[in-house]
Amino acid sequence: AQSVAQPEDQVNVAEGNPLTVKCTYSVSGNPYLFWYVQYPNRGLQFLLKYITGDNLVKGSYGFEAEFNKSQTSFHLKKPSALVSDSALYFCAVRDRSGSGYALNFGKGTSLLVTP
Amino acid sequence: GAVVSQHPSRVICKSGTSVKIECRSLDFQATTMFWYRQFPKQSLMLMATSNEGSKATYEQGVEKDKFLINHASLTLSTLTVTSAHPEDSSFYICSARGTGLHYEQYFGPGTRLTVT
Repeated sequence: AQSVAQPEDQVNVAEGNPLTVKCTYSVSGNPYLFWYVQYPNRGLQFLLKYITGDNLVKGSYGFEAEFNKSQTSFHLKKPSALVSDSALYFCAVRDRSGSGYALNFGKGTSLLVTP
Repeated sequence: GAVVSQHPSRVICKSGTSVKIECRSLDFQATTMFWYRQFPKQSLMLMATSNEGSKATYEQGVEKDKFLINHASLTLSTLTVTSAHPEDSSFYICSARGTGLHYEQYFGPGTRLTVT
């Protein structure tokens, strides 16, 4: 089965500092990896994805993620955090075992950026 | 961009009644729609996958008779929670996937269901 793991329940960062939200994956074959952000009582907003190609993927709102095959990781990063980045972040992998290619999500990481 | 809407955004119902949640793709045709459930401070769990015009495929442990899914058109899928109970209270999120440029999943804003 295709799965991802987010080892941190919460990440705290001071505004202006760089942030990293960790994700590792376990897949057979080449992974299709995604990052989404969720604000309270809202649906998911797409940030970025990795399908193939350049290991550094740039996404929305200044976020980027680095695909590392040897470490089976896909960490989300941002050079300078904003208070407005505080939200719940989900890493996901496309499940190619089912008929619909749904997404399997990690448990989520709550990011808190303090002024 | 691709937009997916859900209606209602919030619903409160009494135990034993049924509730219907609509998921619409507003500017693209969704050949596949997914329904997820999210408990507080937890991840999204896939409930079922539906393809337009065919029966939904339910994940293990999801009662198909309780969570009725209909995907009658390329822009609309509905989830009906039948004979709702308090333990069905949750945040339900749909996503839609089209073809070509719209092959990725686009998520709706979610529906907060509270069963009293």
